[in-house]
Amino acid sequence: AQKVTQAQTEISVVEKEDVTLDCVYETRDTTYYLFWYKQPPSGELVFLIRRNSFDEQNEISGRYSWNFQKSTSSFNFTITASQVVDSAVYFCALSEENRDDKIIFGKGTRLHILP
Amino acid sequence: GAVVSQHPSWVICKSGTSVKIECRSLDFQATTMFWYRQFPKQSLMLMATSNEGSKATYEQGVEKDKFLINHASLTLSTLTVTSAHPEDSSFYICSAWTGAYEQYFGPGTRLTVT
Repeated sequence: AQKVTQAQTEISVVEKEDVTLDCVYETRDTTYYLFWYKQPPSGELVFLIRRNSFDEQNEISGRYSWNFQKSTSSFNFTITASQVVDSAVYFCALSEENRDDKIIFGKGTRLHILP
Repeated sequence: GAVVSQHPSWVICKSGTSVKIECRSLDFQATTMFWYRQFPKQSLMLMATSNEGSKATYEQGVEKDKFLINHASLTLSTLTVTSAHPEDSSFYICSAWTGAYEQYFGPGTRLTVT
């Protein structure tokens, strides 16, 4: 079964605080890809990152960082020094190479950054 | 990066009519495109896989006779919602693979059925 769980439905933090969005996935495949997308109120998905299952290195991009841990099947996303513009819905997603490259999304975490 | 467009960006139609949504890959060829549906405050649900030159593959629970998909060229896939009802009102998003294992999403089409 292929499944992505984002247990946090909604999070509110005050601007400049750090916030971590959790993502736990399930897959039987050894080759798979994990993604994070941002969906602002406009609705258009913004690609943030793609990570393949063989690359467990953590990644940092500006205020964004990702922690991939295969041992716990987690791919968490941290925003450092949050800003109001970070307010959006964030989706974690998974695709498996032998499943026709379909991307399956988690339910999303709605993030509110309060000024 | 690659660009995927959708047309129209929003549409309002009356119950019982059909609506066609276009998804185009603007600067690359896409043999495979995907159609998603997103209800308000919910996640994206994969509806179907659109394959150029062949029949679409629908996910379980998606009515293929209601949601007609045509992938007539390497840059265009269309989704037609037939005999639309208010419960079909949703945000429809398409995506396309570039072949370099990068998938790009369109901006979405908001459908309202009155």
